[in-house]
Amino acid sequence: AQKITQTQPGMFVQEKEAVTLDCTYDTSDQSYGLFWYKQPSSGEMIFLIYQGSYDEQNATEGRYSLNFQKARKSANLVISASQLGDSAMYFCAMREVPFQAGTALIFGKGTTLSVSS
Amino acid sequence: SQTIHQWPATLVQPVGSPLSLECTVEGTSNPNLYWYRQAAGRGLQLLFYSIGIDQISSEVPQNLSASRPQDRQFILSSKKLLLSDSGFYLCAWSLSGSAEQYFGPGTRLTVT
Repeated sequence: AQKITQTQPGMFVQEKEAVTLDCTYDTSDQSYGLFWYKQPSSGEMIFLIYQGSYDEQNATEGRYSLNFQKARKSANLVISASQLGDSAMYFCAMREVPFQAGTALIFGKGTTLSVSS
Repeated sequence: SQTIHQWPATLVQPVGSPLSLECTVEGTSNPNLYWYRQAAGRGLQLLFYSIGIDQISSEVPQNLSASRPQDRQFILSSKKLLLSDSGFYLCAWSLSGSAEQYFGPGTRLTVT
């Protein structure tokens, strides 16, 4: 069975600093995808970044990068130059490949990020 | 561009009352559609998914049901709500074979 673990219930960072949100996963699948979503207080889940287990390079999307270490089964999210608008709950998730409709996103419990000025 | 809508945004219902939550997607055809529930302080749990009209699969046994009467419309229903049905319900869509799932704004349901 797949499992996502996010050990940091809350993280605090100052504006313009970088922050790393931890995520470890467990799966017996050979191919899988790893995702990070942002959930602000409004509740909407916003897709941030995706990494395939077969991708050799770490994914980047603007200020977001995914530090993927397959041997350690970790997929940490790095946010560079934090902004006040980054304050939100962040969820790590994974999904088995191939991406069929019935393969659900398995979510961690989330990390609350608070950015201060 | 694609957009996904959910309504209502918030709902307070008494135990034993019926439920109908609606989700519609614009700007795409034949999407895969999903209903997730998020309990307080937890991640999301997949409830139902659909690969086409009238094709619904359930992931967990419960007193909820889902229907897809049109290609881009997904409805979550219950005949009699339980207290444990309270939570944040999110609809999502994806293209077949695609990695990303995109979520709607959600419905916050409180059963009293």
